[in-house]
This record gives sequence, C-alpha cells and structure tokens, in this order.
Amino acid sequence: QSVLTQPPSASGTPGQRVTISCSGSSSNIGIKTVNWYRQFPGTAPKLLIYSNNQRPSGVPDRFSGSKSGTSASLAISGLQSEDEADYHCAAWDDRVNVWVFGGGTKLTVL
Amino acid sequence: EVNLVESGGGLVQPGGSLRLSCAASGFAFSTYEMNWVRQAPGKGLEWVSYINSGSYTIYYPDSVKGRFTISRDNAKNLVYLQMNSLRAEDTAVYYCARWMSSSPYGLDVWGQGTTVTVSS
Repeated sequence: QSVLTQPPSASGTPGQRVTISCSGSSSNIGIKTVNWYRQFPGTAPKLLIYSNNQRPSGVPDRFSGSKSGTSASLAISGLQSEDEADYHCAAWDDRVNVWVFGGGTKLTVL
Repeated sequence: EVNLVESGGGLVQPGGSLRLSCAASGFAFSTYEMNWVRQAPGKGLEWVSYINSGSYTIYYPDSVKGRFTISRDNAKNLVYLQMNSLRAEDTAVYYCARWMSSSPYGLDVWGQGTTVTVSS
C-alpha cells in the first residue's frame, strides 16, 4: 500500500487533456514539494516535473503540475499516443524521513 | 553525460544475501545524496535507503531496516546496497537515484536498474 494515493489508471483520446491526482498528508505533500516521474515499460522512471510545477529541460509544456494543500496533480494537454506510460508522484516525508511514492497511474491513449 | 549504472542483481534463495553496486559518472558524486528505490513486478515504486554525501546520515524504511545496509565510496564514485536475510517480497528491480536536498530537483537522475529475484 503506497503512502501517496493515485488512481491506478487514466485514459484519454488524442488531443484531449487528462489529469492525474496524487493525494498525501501534512507530513509529505503538505509541506514538501512534489515530483512526477514518467516510466515506459521496461525502463527506469524519468523526472517529468519537479518542485510541484517545474519542467526539466526537454519536457514539453504540454506537461504541467500543480499542488494545493496535501494534494497534487499532473496535467497532460494535447494528448499523444507516445504519452502512454506509467506516471508516479513522489515527495519527501518529513515525519518519518522517507521518500514516499504513489502507486503509479497507467495512462492509456485510446 | 550524467550516468548511474547498477549491477549485482541476480537469483538468490530466501535467507540469502546480495550486494548491489551503483557506479556514478558525469557529475560531482561526492556532493550528492544517494538513494535506492525498488519496484516489485507490476507494482509501484518503493524507496529503500538513503545516504548523505558524507555517509553520516542514513535512513531506511521499516520494511528493510536491520536487513539492508547502504554505503558509499566517494573515491570510487560508488554506492552499495548490502541485502541480507532476503525474502520473496524483496524481489524487484532496484534503482539507484541521486538527490541534492538543497536543490529543488528531488530524485532527478536514476540508473537503469538491476533485477533481484528471491526464490528457491
């Protein structure tokens, strides 16, 4: 059971906008920044969003992140077939000194 | 190019031991905190250990505390994970990931992973 809660799946059609939620608590998302990772099958996770809403160089602006209270969201606009992947949220938990992750959301482009 | 390469995974019997290594290159390894994160088949990510740059602060989750030991050699740009008393539930792909807690980037670079299978 993951500390952060994500929906197990999400889907959309090409061109649509989809959002993926990530719910935590006052000891992690509530006081720490959230990162999002994208993972294609058989490969390592790769940083997609850091510090709640910042994109590393090379990540298109179709990807955006936000945070409010103890929840965060990842939004993908102009959905493309190559966006099919697993998406994971993560945050440091200050109460127990651990990195906590969501269970991952599998995004399907219909 | 910034790179992390894990090695040392394999098949081990329950109760056995394994030592994973992670070789870093392309960045100032001694200034970064390092972590191990694992992913069981079909499951999400689970963080399993942290070591700061000077090796004086180390954290583990309860699931591996007392069985796993993280260490590093800054002269060789290596971080290790010694895993003892392995259980079937430790079966996973193990990734090393770097972190600079003073920066906003979080776990920003990950290795490709090494697979550990615990089975008789």
